[in-house]
Amino acid sequence: GNSVTQMEGPVTLSEEAFLTINCTYTATGYPSLFWYVQYPGEGLQLLLKATKADDKGSNKGFEATYRKETTSFHLEKGSVQVSDSAVYFCALIPSGGGSNYKLTFGKGTLLTVNP
Amino acid sequence: DTAVSQTPKYLVTQMGNDKSIKCEQNLGHDTMYWYKQDSKKFLKIMFSYNNKELIINETVPNRFSPKSPDKAHLNLHINSLELGDSAVYFCASSRRDRVANEQFFGPGTRLTVL
Repeated sequence: GNSVTQMEGPVTLSEEAFLTINCTYTATGYPSLFWYVQYPGEGLQLLLKATKADDKGSNKGFEATYRKETTSFHLEKGSVQVSDSAVYFCALIPSGGGSNYKLTFGKGTLLTVNP
Repeated sequence: DTAVSQTPKYLVTQMGNDKSIKCEQNLGHDTMYWYKQDSKKFLKIMFSYNNKELIINETVPNRFSPKSPDKAHLNLHINSLELGDSAVYFCASSRRDRVANEQFFGPGTRLTVL
């Protein structure tokens, strides 16, 4: 079946530090890949996505590149801010249609950024 | 304007009770979802409806019954609540014309069963 594995947290960084959250997936074909972010007490918001190999998704200074050869979609940001503190979820939707629109999530990584 | 709204935000109840959570979206989407987030933040889909038709039904106890009166609403009714049902339940919606369409999530309903 489909699965997403992301690095265990929590991750604690100082402001302006470099962030990497690793994400690898298992799925047949070419799934669509997503990073969602959940701020404290809120629902999830889409941060970025990529739909085919070598695509780079980017938003708010965050980037992730769809690597088919390593089945990875690592999230990076060059300089984190306190306001980036949240739980980050890597997720996929399998290729194809039908009932295959369900998001499969990783377990989430809690990021805390200290001033 | 709220895109995906859920009521109530918090729900505290006793074991054995029956409760409902309501979800509404004003985005004009045709597909809605229920997800469960456990205490360790793990998210798992429960159900999905497209144009009022059930299209995803994961392995969920039949005490959980979703109902979609129209495309904009998806409610979740839970019978005979158990301690293990305590979680945050998220509603989401999307358009189904493309696989990679963003799912928009509601703020969640925190259910606590005592």
